[in-house]
Amino acid sequence: DGGITQSPKYLFRKEGQNVTLSCEQNLNHDAMYWYRQDPGQGLRLIYYSQIVNDFQKGDIAEGYSVSREKKESFPLTVTSAQKNPTAFYLCASRAGRVSSPLHFGNGTRLTVT
Amino acid sequence: QQPVQSPQAVILREGEDAVINCSSSKALYSVHWYRQKHGEAPVFLMILLKGGEQKGHEKISASFNEKKQQSSLYLTASQLSYSGTYFCGTEGPNAGGTSYGKLTFGQGTILTVHP
Repeated sequence: DGGITQSPKYLFRKEGQNVTLSCEQNLNHDAMYWYRQDPGQGLRLIYYSQIVNDFQKGDIAEGYSVSREKKESFPLTVTSAQKNPTAFYLCASRAGRVSSPLHFGNGTRLTVT
Repeated sequence: QQPVQSPQAVILREGEDAVINCSSSKALYSVHWYRQKHGEAPVFLMILLKGGEQKGHEKISASFNEKKQQSSLYLTASQLSYSGTYFCGTEGPNAGGTSYGKLTFGQGTILTVHP
C-alpha cells in the first residue's frame, strides 16, 4: 500500500544536539512538506519542496534544515539553533497539481530536554 | 500569513449543525479542509478552488468566496464521529507569483459532539 512513513514515532534528545527526522513516501508525489504542531497553534509550515533538489522556506524555517535528493525522501534536521524544538512534527506529500490534497504521515513527537 | 479560523471551539449535541469559518488576508488559489483526531494525522475532507464553488461530502459541505478570501465549512446533523480538530489550509501564489505550492494552515477549530 502507498503512503508516507515517518520515523521514529517518538524521539528524545538532549539540548544542543542536532536531530534528523525521516520522511519517506511511495506515492510518487512531486511535492513534500514539513509542519510543526504545537497545542493551540495549528500546523505551521517549516519547509516545502515541489521538486527534487529544490525547496523553499515556510513560515518558521529558522533552526531547521532540509534536503531533497530523492523524490521519495524529505528529511528534516532540527538544529541546536532551534530555540524550542519540542513539538509534534508532521510530514506530508501531494501530487503536483493545485487541486491535489495533502497526504500526511503519522508524525514524530520530538522531546528535547 | 496563517489563515484565521473561527470559532476556536464548538460544542454540539448529536444532530445539531455547525459552521466553521476560515479567512485569509491574501489572494488564494485554493482552500483545503482537514479533520484531525487526537494523536492521529490530519485527514483530508475537501478542496475548493477559486471560482466560488461549493462542495459537499455527505453531511459536510463547504463554500469558497475568493473575492472575500473566505471559506466556510458546514457540518449538518452532526454525529459523534465528527468530533476532532478542523483545519483550513490556504494556498496562494508563492514569492515568484507564478505557481502554487505554499500551503499554510489556520490554528484549528476544536469540535466536540456529545450524545
